[in-house]
Amino acid sequence: AQSVAQPEDQVNVAEGNPLTVKCTYSVSGNPYLFWYVQYPNRGLQFLLKYITGDNLVKGSYGFEAEFNKSQTSFHLKKPSALVSDSALYFCAVRDMRPSLTGGGNKLTFGTGTQLKVEL
Amino acid sequence: EPEVTQTPSHQVTQMGQEVILRCVPISNHLYFYWYRQILGQKVEFLVSFYNNEISEKSEIFDDQFSVERPDGSNFTLKIRSTKLEDSAMYFCASRPNSGGRTSTDTQYFGPGTRLTVL
Repeated sequence: AQSVAQPEDQVNVAEGNPLTVKCTYSVSGNPYLFWYVQYPNRGLQFLLKYITGDNLVKGSYGFEAEFNKSQTSFHLKKPSALVSDSALYFCAVRDMRPSLTGGGNKLTFGTGTQLKVEL
Repeated sequence: EPEVTQTPSHQVTQMGQEVILRCVPISNHLYFYWYRQILGQKVEFLVSFYNNEISEKSEIFDDQFSVERPDGSNFTLKIRSTKLEDSAMYFCASRPNSGGRTSTDTQYFGPGTRLTVL
């Protein structure tokens, strides 16, 4: 079974400061890892993903994430936070092993972390 | 930029009634999904759909749920007899088909339908 943990319900950071939103995962095989963001009354927007290769993945809006296999972590980071980054962030994992039909590949999400960036 | 769309944005229904939630996936995508998010909880997988059949479903997706792709553009989720605990935000998602069984394609999500069962 695959699972994701986001240990912080909320992260507060001042605008201009670096931010980190934590995520750890558990899968049987190698993971595909994703970050999505949800703004109020909006759907889930894709930010970035890790498939293989470089452990530092760059995504939309200046976000990046670092894959650490030994710590089974995939923390989301941004060097300088903006007030407009305030939103709910979800980490998700998918097992790299192919499903029997190839049509599944479901994502398992964490509980989400509310990021609040203040002036 | 192509987007997944969902209608309605909010549906209110009485317990025991049938509801149909509608989604229009991105046009060249071949895999479709439904997820739900009960208020304050995590996003949970319900079902995946490919080539006009269910590929995978979760324990939540019991006999009260069904999915259909009635034409070339729509993808629907039907709940036959709604319960109070079905109240949630329901998200549709879609992805392309590159890579087959080992696909690394991203799933793109719609804005969701908030279902309220009274």
